Amino acid sequence: AQSVAQPEDQVNVAEGNPLTVKCTYSVSGNPYLFWYVQYPNRGLQFLLKYITGDNLVKGSYGFEAEFNKSQTSFHLKKPSALVSDSALYFCAVRDTNAGKSTFGDGTTLTVKP
Amino acid sequence: GAVVSQHPSRVICKSGTSVKIECRSLDFQATTMFWYRQFPKQSLMLMATSNEGSKATYEQGVEKDKFLINHASLTLSTLTVTSAHPEDSSFYICSAPWGQGTQYFGPGTRLLVL
Repeated sequence: AQSVAQPEDQVNVAEGNPLTVKCTYSVSGNPYLFWYVQYPNRGLQFLLKYITGDNLVKGSYGFEAEFNKSQTSFHLKKPSALVSDSALYFCAVRDTNAGKSTFGDGTTLTVKP
Repeated sequence: GAVVSQHPSRVICKSGTSVKIECRSLDFQATTMFWYRQFPKQSLMLMATSNEGSKATYEQGVEKDKFLINHASLTLSTLTVTSAHPEDSSFYICSAPWGQGTQYFGPGTRLLVL
């Protein structure tokens, strides 16, 4: 079975400060890891993914995430937060042999001016 | 990137009526699509996996006869909420995988049952 944990329901940061949204996972095989963002009353948008290769993955809107196999983590980061980054963020994992992804419960990011 | 559309974006219906939601992959073919339900500020709940040419696979606790899924073609899946009741009011989102497991999501359908 595969699972994802996002330990923080809410993350608050000031504009211009770095942000981190945490994610840990559990899979039996090699993980495919994803981050998605959801704005109010909208569907989810793909931000970035890790499949293989470099542990640091860069994605849309200046976001990046670091795959850490020993800690089974895939935290989302951005060096300088914008107010427009405020949204709901979902981490997801897929076992390479599985047909569907498992999503975390989501973390609401609020960036204050 | 891949684009998925959903229609309608919002629907209000009376209790007891049926509502059909369409999910289309616009620029790629999808043999599989996923249907989710999302409550306010909560995570996605996977309802079912829609399979082109075969029956949908429902998650535990999801009533097959209430949430009818038809994957009519490689670009279209429909979710029909039959005999809708107020407790079915929710935000329904579909997605289709493309490119090494990345899921592309529709914009969602807000259902309100009066």
